[in-house]
Amino acid sequence: NAGVTQTPKFQVLKTGQSMTLQCAQDMNHNSMYWYRQDPGMGLRLIYYSASEGTTDKGEVPNGYNVSRLNKREFSLRLESAAPSQTSVYFCASSRYAGTIDGGYTFGSGTRLTVV
Amino acid sequence: AQSVTQLDSQVPVFEEAPVELRCNYSSSVSVYLFWYVQYPNQGLQLLLKYLSGSTLVKGINGFEAEFNKSQTSFHLRKPSVHISDTAEYFCAVSSQGGKLIFGQGTELSVKP
Repeated sequence: NAGVTQTPKFQVLKTGQSMTLQCAQDMNHNSMYWYRQDPGMGLRLIYYSASEGTTDKGEVPNGYNVSRLNKREFSLRLESAAPSQTSVYFCASSRYAGTIDGGYTFGSGTRLTVV
Repeated sequence: AQSVTQLDSQVPVFEEAPVELRCNYSSSVSVYLFWYVQYPNQGLQLLLKYLSGSTLVKGINGFEAEFNKSQTSFHLRKPSVHISDTAEYFCAVSSQGGKLIFGQGTELSVKP
């Protein structure tokens, strides 16, 4: 099915471990985004990529890095996980950096627990 | 800077009753407004959007929202809810060339 695919769906890490969350879209979208969702705080933007080859910080970038590997793939890396990074992570994509044409398409999320 | 406030964190309602989920935004420029729905353990799906034109916007599953510029609001309504509408609903705002800013979310719980 066309859309945004995230892997893994669940992950438990120990404090200090590293991991990479993977995201791929097959809709030929130019822009991709990483959000984290925490209870009572909605979704907060971590990083985004307006187009292939560009990345920019969002609202809460500290502790994360990203790579726009190609037009399809946008990964999020936690170099040294902390309990404060326990969250549900969503990847999204849109045709353009602006959202005029209809908003974002979201993946199903990665539930990450850091112990 | 833009921001979004969803005025209710939880809304319990009985099946077949009407519901309104409230959303206020702040922005110094023209905005585009969205409502998304998140069913349990799933990603977000677009319910409806306001880009321009008619202030009453109709979306999927019988939901509609009204853009009120003077009150800076974009409330979501449904005249008769079903059990299957139980989900979390997010209001979001964006300006041209900008990124989506989300509200805190409203949990709609429909009881039989």
